[in-house]
Amino acid sequence: EIVLTQSPGTLSLSPGERATLSCRASQSVSSNYLAWYQQKPGQAPRLLIYGASSRATGIPDRFSGSGSGTDFTLTISRLEPEDFAVYYCQQYGSSPWTFGQGTKVEIK
Amino acid sequence: QVQLQESGPGLVKPSETLSLTCTVSGGSISSYYWSWIRQSPGKGLEWIGYIYYSGTTNYNPSLKSRVTISVDTSKNQFSLKLSSVTAADTAVYYCARGITMVRGVIRYYYYMDVWGKGTTVTVS
Repeated sequence: EIVLTQSPGTLSLSPGERATLSCRASQSVSSNYLAWYQQKPGQAPRLLIYGASSRATGIPDRFSGSGSGTDFTLTISRLEPEDFAVYYCQQYGSSPWTFGQGTKVEIK
Repeated sequence: QVQLQESGPGLVKPSETLSLTCTVSGGSISSYYWSWIRQSPGKGLEWIGYIYYSGTTNYNPSLKSRVTISVDTSKNQFSLKLSSVTAADTAVYYCARGITMVRGVIRYYYYMDVWGKGTTVTVS
């Protein structure tokens, strides 16, 4: 099973700042099949990025994904008030699919 | 726009079977796969398994001995059964739609793009 480790655990930033979230896999993710989700309190996860770098439908272009192999990054170029949430990475390259433990982006 | 809605008992007794149903509205259950995922404070997000509308399944080995996922295309629903539950199975359970494609002769299962709102199940 591929273990995904996200860092940092919490990111304290101000609106307008840039957020850089990391997701490291314990082994190479097949075909870079890695997704990023955003979750707000009391809500289900929402797909942001798939295939490591493709934005899902309706996702603003301030969200971008990059990386390959074992190291992946989610970047939010300029934080909007609605972007403060928990972000999870998930790999679907090999079964069982697994999720990272999450990074909380909080208002500084 | 497709929507998913989980339903089922919110309280299950230890050693009994947890049963949930996900109803798909606004779209067909065909041509996609359908997953169950759960989230608990202790274990975070955990993928339980999926089913393709034709009946092909894939389960997380950690739960495989206790899990059954089935589909009812006539009702646009799919279901989860988890047997012999303990307090460790207490969680929010989500259903989700997944993208699948055939390349050559192999079917590939990709990301999950639409999720239900989730339902809380307590084992006590």
